[in-house]
Amino acid sequence: SAVISQKPSRDICQRGTSLTIQCQVDSQVTMMFWYRQQPGQSLTLIATANQGSEATYESGFVIDKFPISRPNLTFSTLTVSNMSPEDSSIYLCSAEWGLAGAGTDTQYFGPGTRLTVL
Amino acid sequence: DAKTTQPNSMESNEEEPVHLPCNHSTISGTDYIHWYRQLPSQGPEYVIHGLTSNVNNRMASLAIAEDRKSSTLILHRATLRDAAVYYCILRDAIGGYQKVTFGIGTKLQVIP
Repeated sequence: SAVISQKPSRDICQRGTSLTIQCQVDSQVTMMFWYRQQPGQSLTLIATANQGSEATYESGFVIDKFPISRPNLTFSTLTVSNMSPEDSSIYLCSAEWGLAGAGTDTQYFGPGTRLTVL
Repeated sequence: DAKTTQPNSMESNEEEPVHLPCNHSTISGTDYIHWYRQLPSQGPEYVIHGLTSNVNNRMASLAIAEDRKSSTLILHRATLRDAAVYYCILRDAIGGYQKVTFGIGTKLQVIP
């Protein structure tokens, strides 16, 4: 299993500013992910972050708005740039070993970062 | 991607068994059935997964229909701590890595 921590756990930000969320895994993992969960909604995948390569973004999410770093096998950051109230959400990171045979792999999640944009 | 269908919500009395259904009529032969749950104010956590045979672990049991078009997550004795949103997800075992897609899930309410 893997233990994942996120910083900050919550923040209140002014519109137009940026926030960087950190995600730390207690073991080396191949694949890390960033999700957004709006109030009362399910999780939506923002991007997949693999070490040594550019993040892969899902439809509707762009690098300029959500730049991601993955400097090593245990750490990743997501920046929410030029924030607006519509960015108020919970942001979750997750990790997976990415073994061959993805059908049986387990994804581990951090506790989330609750962001409020005023 | 093969889709899953779950009831939006269910209720259970504490200490009684709970059967959470999931329909996946377009499942392929290589899709694994995974269940995750999300407790309030937490990230999702893995519960169980299976391919064809029924599976048991310390958290729950997974019953898979013979035609694999549906499955049921069974909590043998619901506790208040089991109140969560339960997600049924399909993951294909071939073709390289495939992302996890979360549906709406089933919100389980446990009544004391």
